[in-house]
Amino acid sequence: GAVVSQHPSWVICKSGTSVKIECRSLDFQATTMFWYRQFPKQSLMLMATSNEGSKATYEQGVEKDKFLINHASLTLSTLTVTSAHPEDSSFYICSARDRDGTSGPSYEQYFGPGTRLTVT
Amino acid sequence: GQNIDQPTEMTATEGAIVQINCTYQTSGFNGLFWYQQHAGEAPTFLSYNVLDGLEEKGRFSSFLSRSKGYSYLLLKELQMKDSASYLCAVRDEGQGTGRRALTFGSGTRLQVQP
Repeated sequence: GAVVSQHPSWVICKSGTSVKIECRSLDFQATTMFWYRQFPKQSLMLMATSNEGSKATYEQGVEKDKFLINHASLTLSTLTVTSAHPEDSSFYICSARDRDGTSGPSYEQYFGPGTRLTVT
Repeated sequence: GQNIDQPTEMTATEGAIVQINCTYQTSGFNGLFWYQQHAGEAPTFLSYNVLDGLEEKGRFSSFLSRSKGYSYLLLKELQMKDSASYLCAVRDEGQGTGRRALTFGSGTRLQVQP
């Protein structure tokens, strides 16, 4: 089955520093990856849609200069939280669609295990 | 835009049946998904409905009525491990952008009791 990995699984950083989170599709190609954020006891909120080889599409209210997304290949998207603050502490989850439907139904999104970010 | 409503919490007894409802109002519709999420973990796919009717998969079934903007997830023979959050999500049409992102409801926390 389709597998999506995220690295790191958790990270603690100081306020003002930047943190990079990687999302990889391990056994399929993903032209589109999605980045979500989830605060405790809340649902997933879409932050941005990442398309390979083009600029990401950000949801309303998400600062593109603060959350930098790069989708350099069909298997890797990165989210960089720049100048992190404590309010950025959250669970960040990526998902990917199998472009060719080889690993499963093409309608399905496969989620990574998530990255827990804590900013002190 | 999308607006998705589901109950915040539900409690059920081991071995019983529970139905989790989801209503939605959307500007576009291209499928409804149900996911299970245990605390601190990523969501796992349970079901997908794009046409009206019931989809059955083992102990889990999902129903969709597009005209009513309504879906439910039915869990049979409840087990303690079914205690989790259940997320209803709607996919938009992604016109022109190929986006087809999912918009999630707030989730229903199900507690299964002995």
